Order: sequence, then structure tokens, then C-alpha cells
Amino acid sequence: EDQVTQSPEALRLQEGESSSLNCSYTVSGLRGLFWYRQDPGKGPEFLFTLYSAGEEKEKERLKATLTKKESFLHITAPKPEDSATYLCAVQANQAGTALIFGKGTTLSVSS
Amino acid sequence: DSGVTQTPKHLITATGQRVTLRCSPRSGDLSVYWYQQSLDQGLQFLIQYYNGEERAKGNILERFSAQQFPDLHSELNLSSLELGDSALYFCASSVAQGGGEGYTFGSGTRLTVV
Repeated sequence: EDQVTQSPEALRLQEGESSSLNCSYTVSGLRGLFWYRQDPGKGPEFLFTLYSAGEEKEKERLKATLTKKESFLHITAPKPEDSATYLCAVQANQAGTALIFGKGTTLSVSS
Repeated sequence: DSGVTQTPKHLITATGQRVTLRCSPRSGDLSVYWYQQSLDQGLQFLIQYYNGEERAKGNILERFSAQQFPDLHSELNLSSLELGDSALYFCASSVAQGGGEGYTFGSGTRLTVV
């Protein structure tokens, strides 16, 4: 069964304290891995798509990497406005177009 | 504004009732997806439509149904509502049937069943 597990469930950081979020996946043929950001009461906002092991994408203080079994979202020198829930999702070749989401990591950054 | 419009934003209804949630996709997008988000389950895929036709089905209950109309807007119908159906319901859209480039989500409908 295709599955996505994110860790930790919650992460508290001080402003400027870099860290990484983990997304482990099991999928029968990976078509793509996606990272989304979700603010409370809002819909997920697309951040990155990764397609193959070794690929990296960057956007401001965020950098996503992909291996054959997991993805990391690295947050460098976070600011309070980076506080949100970060969701990882995979799309399998055989599953049509549905994205399978993990339960997310809730990040809190304090000043 | 993501370009995906969902109405209503909030809905409170009693058990046993039926409700309809509406979604207008982003201009030019042909695929519409429905997801349910609860605190313990996270985002769960319900169903996908592409240009008016059902393309994929996830963990959608028999009490739930959906359709996509010729103008591409979609409706999710939830009937015989139970307390456990209380959740955020999101609609997302994408240009292609494949969706490999990612979806654009709406801001959701919060359903509370009392």
C-alpha cells in the first residue's frame, strides 16, 4: 500500500535555528513527490515538486531534497512567518493522479 | 487568492441531513479533486473528475457523491450525515489529467455536523 509518513509531528524552533523535516514514503513507482505549506484554516499552498532521486529544489529559506525512500525539507534560518504545517505528498504511477498525503509537520518559529 | 473558489466557507448541519459543497476550478483547469481533512486522518483523497468524467476514486463513502458540470464547476454531495463527517473539505484543480505538476487548492469548506 502506498504510504507517506512525516516526522516529527511538531517542531518548535527559535528564529534563526535551522532544521529539517522528514518525509518517508512507500510507493509502487514514484511519479512525483510534492511539498505543500498549509496555514491554519486555509488550503495547502504548493511549494515544490521533486521527480527523481538526487533532485533538489530551493525557494527562499526552504530547500527540498529527494532520495529513493525519503525527502527532506530543510529550513535555513527560519523566521516566525515560516510557522505553518508542512505537508508531503506522493503521486504513484499506477494511482492515476491522486496525491497521497502525510499527516504533516507543524512548525512553530518563535522570535 | 488561489483561483479555486469553494462555497460555502462554513456549514453547520444536523445528523441525517444532506449538504452540497461547490467548487469552481482555476480558469483553464480541467481536473477537479475533492479531499477531506480531519484532525486524525490528514488529507484523504475522495474523488477526481476530468472534463466532466470521473477519473479516480479514493476513500469516498457511498453516502457521498460528486459531479462535474459542463462549465467545469464541481459539486460534492454528502447525505445521511454523521458526526464523524465533520471535517474540512478541500477542492483542488489542475490543468492536465495527470496532475503531475501539482494541484492548486481552494480555501475549503468547514463542515460541522451536530
